[in-house]
Amino acid sequence: GNSVTQMEGPVTLSEEAFLTINCTYTATGYPSLFWYVQYPGEGLQLLLKATKADDKGSNKGFEATYRKETTSFHLEKGSVQVSDSAVYFCALSSDRDDMRFGAGTRLTVKP
Amino acid sequence: EAGVAQSPRYKIIEKRQSVAFWCNPISGHATLYWYQQILGQGPKLLIQFQNNGVVDDSQLPKDRFSAERLKGVDSTLKIQPAKLEDSAVYLCASSPTNFRTRPIPLYFGPGTRLLVL
Repeated sequence: GNSVTQMEGPVTLSEEAFLTINCTYTATGYPSLFWYVQYPGEGLQLLLKATKADDKGSNKGFEATYRKETTSFHLEKGSVQVSDSAVYFCALSSDRDDMRFGAGTRLTVKP
Repeated sequence: EAGVAQSPRYKIIEKRQSVAFWCNPISGHATLYWYQQILGQGPKLLIQFQNNGVVDDSQLPKDRFSAERLKGVDSTLKIQPAKLEDSAVYLCASSPTNFRTRPIPLYFGPGTRLLVL
């Protein structure tokens, strides 16, 4: 079945450092890919999405490119801030709209 | 527009007791999901409804979990009897059904945090 594997955390960075969180997927057909973010004490929020190969999703300085050849959707940000501290979830959705999530990666950004 | 509503927000019960969670999706959203998020893990889909029909309940532990969406609007998830390992946050999400736009966005409620002692 469909599944998502993302890099284990936690990840700790200094402010203004470069961020990469790896995500790979297994799916039949042509899934849509997502990154969700969960800030402390809050619910999940959609961060960005991509619907087809080579699409780039972007939001709040974060980017991820849908790579079909490597079945990956890595999350990147050029300069992280303390306010980016959160748990990040990679997810995919198939034609049946059943959203599957990775285990999550906790990011802590220190000033 | 009002978001996805869930209640209660927190619940503490003893093992072998029963518990029920309620979810009211965004008005007009045909698809409703229940997820279980165990501490330190990603949300796991328990059941997906399309209107009042079940689309996917393959990961629902049917010996103790049940869910219904009788009128195709709000939904109830029940656990009976609860086990220690059921301690988790139970998330409800909804999405509109519009075949012209994919992917369909998912809107999450705040969740119900369950602790089984």
